Amino acid sequence: EVQLVESGGGLVQPGGSLRVSCAASGFLFRSYGMNWVRQAPGKGLEWVSGISYSGSRYYADSVKGRFTISRDNSEKTLYLQMNSLRGDDTAVYYCAKPRDDGAWGGGFDIWGQGTMVTVSP
Amino acid sequence: DIQMTQSPSSLSASVGDRVTINCRTSQTISSNLNWYQHKPGKAPKLLIYTASSLESGVPSRFSGGGSGTDFTLTISSLQPEDFATYYCQQSHITPFTFGPGTKVDIK
Repeated sequence: EVQLVESGGGLVQPGGSLRVSCAASGFLFRSYGMNWVRQAPGKGLEWVSGISYSGSRYYADSVKGRFTISRDNSEKTLYLQMNSLRGDDTAVYYCAKPRDDGAWGGGFDIWGQGTMVTVSP
Repeated sequence: DIQMTQSPSSLSASVGDRVTINCRTSQTISSNLNWYQHKPGKAPKLLIYTASSLESGVPSRFSGGGSGTDFTLTISSLQPEDFATYYCQQSHITPFTFGPGTKVDIK
């Protein structure tokens, strides 16, 4: 079964740091780009960051310079290191797999259950 | 960045109704447009990819159309399990922006 499981969310103070993880199983992880998408309370979906199968990294303007996406293909795990956290980073963070290997165009067909990150004093 | 708009932002409909949701992008994206269904507390679900391709396992009452900058999602006969929020997303170029969503609720 193809599955993504996020972990690492929690409560953090403004200005603090947190790393969330996404463990993948059931597919050839190293052949796929991967993404992080978030949903703030009462808001819509926001694409946060993506990393290609070859390691190229992409970020939304709202997190550029503060967040870092990375991957460990040997562990089949995706990471998002979040620094200088702000209140508007409070959200459920989902990892998402693109439908097609080696490409982005086919949408995200597999999503994790999400992990909640709360930034508050 | 590519800006996304959706209309309407919400709609009330009855079981059996035909529903159409519109999505417009600020620049042409060919057919790199996807549609998702999202219910509270659940992960988003891919319905339509590359504008008009039905994802495996998704009922045939869902269909997508359009290209360039204007796209539609149609539900031919609304079912009780279809009440949810629907998002379009462009996967043409990063950042892979989502539309603001269309909430479909029961009339």
